[in-house]
Amino acid sequence: KAGVTQTPRYLIKTRGQQVTLSCSPISGHRSVSWYQQTPGQGLQFLFEYFSETQRNKGNFPGRFSGRQFSNSRSEMNVSTLELGDSALYLCASSLAGTDLTGELFFGEGSRLTVL
Amino acid sequence: AQTVTQSQPEMSVQEAETVTLSCTYDTSESNYYLFWYKQPPSRQMILVIRQEAYKQQNATENRFSVNFQKAAKSFSLKISDSQLGDTAMYFCAFRKAAGNKLTFGGGTRVLVKP
Repeated sequence: KAGVTQTPRYLIKTRGQQVTLSCSPISGHRSVSWYQQTPGQGLQFLFEYFSETQRNKGNFPGRFSGRQFSNSRSEMNVSTLELGDSALYLCASSLAGTDLTGELFFGEGSRLTVL
Repeated sequence: AQTVTQSQPEMSVQEAETVTLSCTYDTSESNYYLFWYKQPPSRQMILVIRQEAYKQQNATENRFSVNFQKAAKSFSLKISDSQLGDTAMYFCAFRKAAGNKLTFGGGTRVLVKP
């Protein structure tokens, strides 16, 4: 069974540009969450999608957005990139919907560098 | 809001020895889940062990065990018979009973020395 797949794995952008990251969850998983990992702030929750609906949102500016498609694949977008957006962006999928004990399975992440 | 604190930024341990990682958390929730995740260098994060707050018995997974003290809001991880492959960042995480949002601690880097 394939794991959580994130693309691209590495990318470099310049300030002011925008970026789209993609996440394909494990087959059958309907919940996808996104996290930002930086040395200074650690791991911070961005948002969670379940059945194409945003179910939860972290404390990030509106430049950070996401969506989920009918096949459960998810994308996140960051517009008007800032240097501080440089981070490892992790996607995690879960089988759980209303099931409260679903384990999160993480992808390898997309490492974004903003110059 | 929940907070998770890991007070040990880095720990080293000799192969085959035991190491204990500390984690404290703050919440007003009565039902929740606690986790330890392992993130090896340049590799994906994987779940090490999970504890349901309503269970008094401490969780155990092979060489990994936890000491869950609900009243003290403490959740430590013990790694027994440490192996070189245990070298990684370890994150303590909290999740409410509802939803999939994890609140992570700052992490503890564990280095297992041969």
